[in-house]
Amino acid sequence: QSALTQPASVSGSPGQSITISCTGTNTDIGRFDRVSWYQQHPGKAPKLVIYEDIRRPSGVSDRFSGSKSGNTASLTISGLHSDDEADYYCCSFASSVTWVFGGGTRVTVL
Amino acid sequence: VHLVESGGGLVQPGGSLRLSCEVSGFNFNPYNMNWVRQAPGKGLEWVSYIGGGGTPIWYTGSVKGRFTISRDRPKNSLYLEMNSLRDEDTGVYYCVRDLDWAFVDWGQGALVAVSS
Repeated sequence: QSALTQPASVSGSPGQSITISCTGTNTDIGRFDRVSWYQQHPGKAPKLVIYEDIRRPSGVSDRFSGSKSGNTASLTISGLHSDDEADYYCCSFASSVTWVFGGGTRVTVL
Repeated sequence: VHLVESGGGLVQPGGSLRLSCEVSGFNFNPYNMNWVRQAPGKGLEWVSYIGGGGTPIWYTGSVKGRFTISRDRPKNSLYLEMNSLRDEDTGVYYCVRDLDWAFVDWGQGALVAVSS
């Protein structure tokens, strides 16, 4: 199972909005409503920020939102803060009965 | 919610290690559990899944036949038995609870280094 495709890096200024894309296939993202997104700060464990494509866990800021169209999912961070600077990973359940992750996107706050 | 991994270390190629994950703060038994790993400086990779009742069990292709996931309900613990270890198995191994097909709670990770 190939990894999902994410841009290596995305940047934005404080207060701006950014969007990270995650492209898969019709055997993972396009087949299931099971895309999740994770934030990882250096040296820390990942943290879930979006699940089931668009749902936000309790306690996660509403500045984080998810969407999906066909085989591509997206994570949007609005009102960018300095502490949003981190690596972000998308993930999807796949028809091969596995989970597949994207390669990760480094978000830089300028 | 606490998930605490142990058992990591340095091992030679072809060797074995057993990772443990002790869980507290929630009722361990109904929940599906996973191992997810991260090679140094690389992205996340799902490794294995075990259902709340002990089945089903799934593995990523590269570890099938070499790794075995298990759980002990009375001890609230998850395990990963790793045999025939390879250089490419090096990384931090996270114990993870999943809910609604997402990885909800993560441990701090256990470092496994495979090197001669």
